Amino acid sequence: QLQLQESGPGQVKSSETLSLTCTVSGASTRISGYFWAWIRQPPGKGLEWVGSIFYNGSAYYNPSLKSRVTISVDTSKNQFSLKLNSVTAADTAIYYCARHDYSYDSGGGLTMNWFDPWGQGTLITVSA
Amino acid sequence: SYELTQPPSVSVSPGQTARITCSGDALPTRFASWYQQKPGQAPVLIIYKDNRRPSGIPEHFSGSSSGTTVTLTIDGVQSEDEADYYCQSADSSGFYVAFGGGTKLTVL
Repeated sequence: QLQLQESGPGQVKSSETLSLTCTVSGASTRISGYFWAWIRQPPGKGLEWVGSIFYNGSAYYNPSLKSRVTISVDTSKNQFSLKLNSVTAADTAIYYCARHDYSYDSGGGLTMNWFDPWGQGTLITVSA
Repeated sequence: SYELTQPPSVSVSPGQTARITCSGDALPTRFASWYQQKPGQAPVLIIYKDNRRPSGIPEHFSGSSSGTTVTLTIDGVQSEDEADYYCQSADSSGFYVAFGGGTKLTVL
């Protein structure tokens, strides 16, 4: 069964860079062939897609975060990572990683679909 | 940016049917998904491709689509169904993802 586990510092100082890693594990699990995503949820608020990366490194980011976000993948370690720079208190959230399903329509256009499974999430607090 | 609109809250009595709607301009051409999130837990996929249930999801959860609106239906609501529910889909380009604001289902 596919499992995802986030790891990170727990607390980041304002204006610094938040760094998180998601490790993918499970029987016959390979990171290749799939998209992988980061989603966040501020305390008491809704879900926000941060971005997704294909195993070959092609990435798509939420336009509202694009200038500050980088997602990378390391297929040899079955891991993918998130970097968010110049953080503020508004970046305080639970950060989840997840596998992101995708498909191609009849015209060959890529469509991003559902997220499954999800990691348990890790709370990142931005302090002054 | 692309937006999906859900009602903030829905309340039903046990045994009744709950319907949660989600509206978005690109929904006629993009699959919608639904997630259940209970307090302190990660979201769980309960509906994908508008109306398909992953294995292990109870049959009283179902999804439907009509034009720019998708609907999550929960038949015979039970107390354990009390949770936040989020819809999710992609915009017209297919590249960018949006979540609805979430609907808190209260079982009276």
